[in-house]
Amino acid sequence: EDQVTQSPEALRLQEGESSSLNCSYTVSGLRGLFWYRQDPGKGPEFLFTLYSAGEEKEKERLKATLTKKESFLHITAPKPEDSATYLCAVQAVWLTGNQFYFGTGTSLTVIP
Amino acid sequence: EAQVTQNPRYLITVTGKKLTVTCSQNMNHEYMSWYRQDPGLGLRQIYYSMNVEVTDKGDVPEGYKVSRKEKRNFPLILESPSPNQTSLYFCASSPHSTGIGGYTFGSGTRLTVV
Repeated sequence: EDQVTQSPEALRLQEGESSSLNCSYTVSGLRGLFWYRQDPGKGPEFLFTLYSAGEEKEKERLKATLTKKESFLHITAPKPEDSATYLCAVQAVWLTGNQFYFGTGTSLTVIP
Repeated sequence: EAQVTQNPRYLITVTGKKLTVTCSQNMNHEYMSWYRQDPGLGLRQIYYSMNVEVTDKGDVPEGYKVSRKEKRNFPLILESPSPNQTSLYFCASSPHSTGIGGYTFGSGTRLTVV
């Protein structure tokens, strides 16, 4: 069964304390892996797309990496404004269509 | 401003009363999709559309209908809402017909069915 699992569910960091969020997946026909940020009461905001193992993308304090079975979102020297829920999604493609699967997210709190 | 607009933002309705949630995007995107978000279950895809007049089921399509008569609009219809459809709904669009490249999400519609 296609599945996306994120860990940890929640993470509290001191400002400046670097860490990583994990997204592991088991889907066949993987087309891409996506990271989103979601603030309370808002729709998710697109961060990155990764297409193949070994690929890396960076944006400010965030860096996303991809292996064959998982992706990591590394947060370097986080600030309080980085507090949000981070969602991972994968797109599976087959002959008759395609589908997106989202993980349940990691809730990140950065303490000043 | 490039955006996906959903209406209404909040809706309380009674069981069995038909309702429509509208979604419109101004980015000329090919792909549009509806999701529901529930605590502990994450975002689950309801329906998607790769182009005008082309729609397909996602993971949880039961109890929902959609149509894509124009490129910019993708309404979600609940013919006979039930309490288990109480949820936070998001419409999203993507520039490519396959959905690849990342979504732009709307601000969400919080639906309560009593």
